[in-house]
Amino acid sequence: TAGITQAPTSQILAAGRSMTLRCTQDMRHNAMYWYRQDLGLGLRLIHYSNTAGTTGKGEVPDGYSVSRANTDDFPLTLASAVPSQTSVYFCASSELAGGLGEQFFGPGTRLTVL
Amino acid sequence: QKEVEQDPGPLSVPEGAIVSLNCTYSNSAFQYFMWYRQYSRKGPELLMYTYSSGNKEDGRFTAQVDKSSKYISLFIRDSQPSDSATYLCAMSANSGAGSYQLTFGKGTKLSVIP
Repeated sequence: TAGITQAPTSQILAAGRSMTLRCTQDMRHNAMYWYRQDLGLGLRLIHYSNTAGTTGKGEVPDGYSVSRANTDDFPLTLASAVPSQTSVYFCASSELAGGLGEQFFGPGTRLTVL
Repeated sequence: QKEVEQDPGPLSVPEGAIVSLNCTYSNSAFQYFMWYRQYSRKGPELLMYTYSSGNKEDGRFTAQVDKSSKYISLFIRDSQPSDSATYLCAMSANSGAGSYQLTFGKGTKLSVIP
């Protein structure tokens, strides 16, 4: 079982460009999440989705957008990247919606914005 | 004051030592407490999950929750080099409308020296 896959593994992006980070899960989990992890700041929630067709804002949503067209996919889009968005991005999912229960994490995408 | 405080370390111990990792929190609404382990360049994975005050044991790992002191601990007995990782505490509280928001500590980096 693959669990959660993320693509790309890493990316260098010029400031002002747009980019979509892909996330796919094969566990048929209801909820999905996007986090960023920065040294000294830990994991912070960007956006979440409790079920297909719904999304919500987390702690640091500015500059990011998400969509949840189906159960398996939860892409994260940076419309116009800025250097402060340099980070490691993790996608996660959980069977229970609303942040309850175990969250399963993907391997992460390392993004550098220059 | 951050909702969840965790000493980032790094913490270095000899193989076989007992390790104590701790987090304090300020939000008395936190109800669920977790410990995640994150190996270098990987996503976090759930190690322990507790709901109430008290101890929960799983092999060499013991999770302890003291709600009255707003303090949680993870103990690792007979530590092994394979335990070398970053350990993140996480806690969740009802954020309204049946949703729970998960808040992570910044993580403690542990190295177990053979």
